[in-house]
Amino acid sequence: AQSVTQPDIHITVSEGASLELRCNYSYGATPYLFWYVQSPGQGLQLLLKYFSGDTLVQGIKGFEAEFKRSQSSFNLRKPSVHWSDAAEYFCAAYSGAGSYQLTFGKGTKLSVIP
Amino acid sequence: DGGITQSPKYLFRKEGQNVTLSCEQNLNHDAMYWYRQDPGQGLRLIYYSQIVNDFQKGDIAEGYSVSREKKESFPLTVTSAQKNPTAFYLCASSMRTEIYYGYTFGSGTRLTVV
Repeated sequence: AQSVTQPDIHITVSEGASLELRCNYSYGATPYLFWYVQSPGQGLQLLLKYFSGDTLVQGIKGFEAEFKRSQSSFNLRKPSVHWSDAAEYFCAAYSGAGSYQLTFGKGTKLSVIP
Repeated sequence: DGGITQSPKYLFRKEGQNVTLSCEQNLNHDAMYWYRQDPGQGLRLIYYSQIVNDFQKGDIAEGYSVSREKKESFPLTVTSAQKNPTAFYLCASSMRTEIYYGYTFGSGTRLTVV
């Protein structure tokens, strides 16, 4: 079955440190890929997306993600984390076939130490 | 501005009561979705609708019902048959076939059984 895996349930980083959140997908073809962020008690906000072209995509809030076909990965990165980045992050994918729905990973909770 | 509105933000239900969560969008999106979110379990799909007057069960539809009489509205009823309804509920919408835009989410409703 098609799936999206976020291996890290919880990550803690110090403010100012770099961040990388991992996402792997299991689809045969190149899927459409998304990263969302959820602040506590809020809905999900789209950070960035990839479906073709340049494999390094820029998003809002200073985030970027790189698509690596050979590793079936779409990792989210930020060079310097701010305390306000503490939230839960969800990776999602659409396979390009079948029903037009996104499959979500289970999320990675990011804590930021001042 | 276009968006998706969920109401109420907080809802309390007594045992044995049905309650209805509202979801309205003015994005002219064809598809709408309901998710349930529990700590550590990510997003679980309850129901989705890709066109007016049609909807499909998701992974955890038991104890829930929906209707889609208007394109803009997709209310979710949590029935007394739902054994553990306390959770955070998220509504989302999307263009049915132009999925590369991703989903737009509402800000959620927190339901508590008292």
